[in-house]
Amino acid sequence: KNEVEQSPQNLTAQEGEFITINCSYSVGISALHWLQQHPGGGIVSLFMLSSGKKKHGRLIATINIQEKHSSLHITASHPRDSAVYICAVSLGSNYQLIWGAGTKLIIKP
Amino acid sequence: EAGVVQSPRYKIIEKKQPVAFWCNPISGHNTLYWYLQNLGQGPELLIRYENEEAVDDSQLPKDRFSAERLKGVDSTLKIQPAELGDSAVYLCASSLTGSGETQYFGPGTRLLVL
Repeated sequence: KNEVEQSPQNLTAQEGEFITINCSYSVGISALHWLQQHPGGGIVSLFMLSSGKKKHGRLIATINIQEKHSSLHITASHPRDSAVYICAVSLGSNYQLIWGAGTKLIIKP
Repeated sequence: EAGVVQSPRYKIIEKKQPVAFWCNPISGHNTLYWYLQNLGQGPELLIRYENEEAVDDSQLPKDRFSAERLKGVDSTLKIQPAELGDSAVYLCASSLTGSGETQYFGPGTRLLVL
């Protein structure tokens, strides 16, 4: 069993829909990261959070430490949001990130 | 502020040839990472530097891969000789420190070994 599980693996939605991507982890963490990777592009860090909720534009990330679960939400989705969204966790003071397999999101116009 | 810079962006070589990738991290970032990413998979750490010291190179295939960060700023990753299975994207990232800080990624170098 992977230490970081994401769901769904693939998600196709229509423009304007509210998107939710989930991440569950099985280890104690110091922080959880959400990252975005466009096809052929580099990886962009979206959020790093260790508790509560963060919002940036149309993106919202939440984390529940007790349940070892985080969600990434996209409101009013747009085709340019199409990308792979990756959840990764940091363990304690260890630098190393443990990566989820990613969620491939396609937003159709 | 400039992000992490990598070059080249693309490289095509024949097997058994050497290849080198260059990375310039964000100014002031002490920690530098090299990752390998195969298609459809998450990045795998190859090596991590704290300043000029390689503090974790346990995943680096040392028979053919080498890396250096001589002055604790930019870094070079080399493969010699390259094999077909080395075709992947090589990502460089940096962070202020190595303790769970946000990592900032470069655009990557896409390597194709023929």
